Amino acid sequence: EAGVVQSPRYKIIEKKQPVAFWCNPISGHNTLYWYLQNLGQGPELLIRYENEEAVDDSQLPKDRFSAERLKGVDSTLKIQPAELGDSAVYLCASSSSGTGGYRDTQYFGPGTRLTVL
Amino acid sequence: GNSVTQMEGPVTLSEEAFLTINCTYTATGYPSLFWYVQYPGEGLQLLLKATKADDKGSNKGFEATYRKETTSFHLEKGSVQVSDSAVYFCALSDLGGAQKLVFGQGTRLTINP
Repeated sequence: EAGVVQSPRYKIIEKKQPVAFWCNPISGHNTLYWYLQNLGQGPELLIRYENEEAVDDSQLPKDRFSAERLKGVDSTLKIQPAELGDSAVYLCASSSSGTGGYRDTQYFGPGTRLTVL
Repeated sequence: GNSVTQMEGPVTLSEEAFLTINCTYTATGYPSLFWYVQYPGEGLQLLLKATKADDKGSNKGFEATYRKETTSFHLEKGSVQVSDSAVYFCALSDLGGAQKLVFGQGTRLTINP
């Protein structure tokens, strides 16, 4: 079974430029997450999708960040314009959510390391 | 809100040493608890999990027991190997199937031959 796929793996841009990250979750996983991982820190949730609906985007800085998950499969996270402080690793994860509060495991992709100069 | 606190790193041990990485949590209700591992250049991988009090998660020689009375989920391994060198993250997931993982800051482990 293929894991979560992310691209690109590395991205270097100048500040104020736009950037986009792509994620393809594990086949059949209806829940998709984007996390931000700063150097030396644990990941922090940015946004969670259930199918194509963003059900938790409370931590997403909406002035410059946006995300979409068309057709409830692949997802794209965009930053426009990027700032120096956005340098970090952006992780995508997916899970197969059950019903009745069943807690499913999140599977992570390798991440995209963004450097803003 | 929910939070996870891990012992500060980095941790350096010799091969075959005993490992303990402490993890305590603060949460309402009864969260699920996880240990994830991040090898150099790779994504986070689930190492083990426990979903209720007194459960013991285990994998690859690692173990952790969900202790509700001490709100802890310490990671242990009896004899570490060089290949265990990685960053280890403790995390919790809140109740209700919301699946929002809250991570600790991570502990970098280096095993010397």
